[in-house]
This record gives sequence, C-alpha cells and structure tokens, in this order.
Amino acid sequence: GAGVSQSPRYKVAKRGQDVALRCDPISGHVSLFWYQQALGQGPEFLTYFQNEAQLDKSGLPSDRFFAERPEGSVSTLKIQRTQQEDSAVYLCATRVGNSYEQYFGPGTRLTVT
Amino acid sequence: AQRVTQPEKLLSVFKGAPVELKCNYSYSGSPELFWYVQYSRQRLQLLLRHISRESIKGFTADLNKGETSFHLKKPFAQEEDSAMYYCAPIWGGGADGLTFGKGTHLIIQP
Repeated sequence: GAGVSQSPRYKVAKRGQDVALRCDPISGHVSLFWYQQALGQGPEFLTYFQNEAQLDKSGLPSDRFFAERPEGSVSTLKIQRTQQEDSAVYLCATRVGNSYEQYFGPGTRLTVT
Repeated sequence: AQRVTQPEKLLSVFKGAPVELKCNYSYSGSPELFWYVQYSRQRLQLLLRHISRESIKGFTADLNKGETSFHLKKPFAQEEDSAMYYCAPIWGGGADGLTFGKGTHLIIQP
C-alpha cells in the first residue's frame, strides 16, 4: 500500500459517546504505535503493539481508552464515554522490524462537543 | 523525570540565513534522538537520527551529551524548510515509543 492509513479522518462525537478509530499499517510492519496530539502540542505516546501483543500501554490516559490489534495487522483505538479533553488528533505509526524509523498515518481528528 | 524541551515555539528567519532549532533533554541514560518534521498538509516524517550522523536536506544535528542537547542546524535556510519540527527521543529501557517535544514552527521568509 501507499502507507499507513487511518479512518475516519475526522470524527465529531457528542460527550459521552463511544468512538472507534482505525489504523491500517504498512504490510509487514510488525510494530504499531498510537499517539495523541492535542492542539499546539507534540504527539504523546499512548500504546505500542508488536504483532498482536500490546507490549506497552503506559500512555493511555484512562481506562476509557482501549486499543487492540487482534490479528497483528489492523488496529483499533476505542474511547468510551468521550470527554471534551479527548479532543485531539490521534496518530498511528508503524515500524518494520528493529528499524527505529516510524511511519505515520495522516491522523484522525476527533472533536468532542 | 525524562523530559524533552524545545524552547522556541516559533522561529522566523530569512531565506539564506542560518537556522538552529534547539532541543534539550533531561535523562541520565543515553537516549536515541530523532528529529521529525511535518510540512504543511503532510504527515509527520523522520528527518534524521543522531546515530546515523547524516545530513538530510542540508540539516545536521549533533548530540552533545555534556549539555544534553540535540540542536538541529542548517547553514542556509530555504523556503521549503518551512514546517513544524519535533525533537523526539526514545529513552530506551524497553520503551519504544517516541517522546516528542512541543515542536518549533519554522518560517522561512523570502
């Protein structure tokens, strides 16, 4: 494929709604990362998968955030009972093997009203 | 605590002038250090990595362990360099996620 893709590109949710954000990695990329980027800030690490195993979820801000990658390919970031402070761009990045370069998707801009 | 600081939120220079984007980190170990760049309407992408000691698009960055800095430099700025630049360490110790600074918006004036 052309690169990491994310969908939807834009999502507006009412406070309290659940949302699911999808990431399609570059084929063969074993490692997958999720980041949250608030307006005017740099991206902040949320969680990391190696294949289907979630090896690090230390950046998830609360138990309302949940990520999965059941078959080691597509990943979904789910946010339950969205709050206004969840409004941000959510970035997915993937990496091949032990290379340090991460390839970023275009992001999903989530606005919670 | 591990921290990365980019002190300038906005840096404006004229075309042809030298550019230096500052990055400082606080960490007692030896991080892997990267600069990522985001051009207008494009994705975040890797610009350079300290360990490879290469020059990309005329940019270089030297790791100064004594000053815990990893400043990005270019001797002659070009208009196409206008973008957001993020310094991003990987602290190691099993953590693979990048820690991004808040970014510096570089504007090159004609």
